[in-house]
Amino acid sequence: NAGVTQTPKFQVLKTGQSMTLQCAQDMNHNSMYWYRQDPGMGLRLIYYSASEGTTDKGEVPNGYNVSRLNKREFSLRLESAAPSQTSVYFCASFGRANSYEQYFGPGTRLTVT
Amino acid sequence: AQTVTQSQPEMSVQEAETVTLSCTYDTSESDYYLFWYKQPPSRQMILVIRQEAYKQQNATENRFSVNFQKAAKSFSLKISDSQLGDAAMYFCAYRRNRVGGGSNYKLTFGKGTLLTVNP
Repeated sequence: NAGVTQTPKFQVLKTGQSMTLQCAQDMNHNSMYWYRQDPGMGLRLIYYSASEGTTDKGEVPNGYNVSRLNKREFSLRLESAAPSQTSVYFCASFGRANSYEQYFGPGTRLTVT
Repeated sequence: AQTVTQSQPEMSVQEAETVTLSCTYDTSESDYYLFWYKQPPSRQMILVIRQEAYKQQNATENRFSVNFQKAAKSFSLKISDSQLGDAAMYFCAYRRNRVGGGSNYKLTFGKGTLLTVNP
């Protein structure tokens, strides 16, 4: 099993450009998450999808949109990138209520100039 | 809202010695999980150890153990016989356990502690 995969691993954008970060999991998990990691800030939740067909805002949703395309895939879109969105982005998935572990993808390092 | 605080931005330890990383949290709930994640330079988030709040016994995984003080809302990580490969950023994280259908099992993270291991 590949677990959680993310593409791309690195990306450089100019201010105002758009892009979509892709995430897929092959563990048949219901819940998927997008976090961002900034120096000295830990990981913060951007958006999540508790199940296929639903999405909700997390702690820092401004400037982002998400799509839960199907049970496997959860994408994060930046419509008009800003330097403040320079960060490392992690996708994660979670299987069931009495389990404990969220599985993380390898992360995407995004730089907006 | 839940908060997780790691008061040590950086720590260092000599190889083969023991180090303790601190974490405190704030919650009004009684049923939750606490985790320590390790993030090496590769960026991958690796689960080190977990603690279920209703279990009084402290969790242990090989050289890693926790000191869970529920009343004090404290959850420290002890690394024994430190190895060079233990050098990484360590994050403490909190997650609710019993959540209604369709709700959010999100993790709330501390800001991290950067651990350096000196040879």
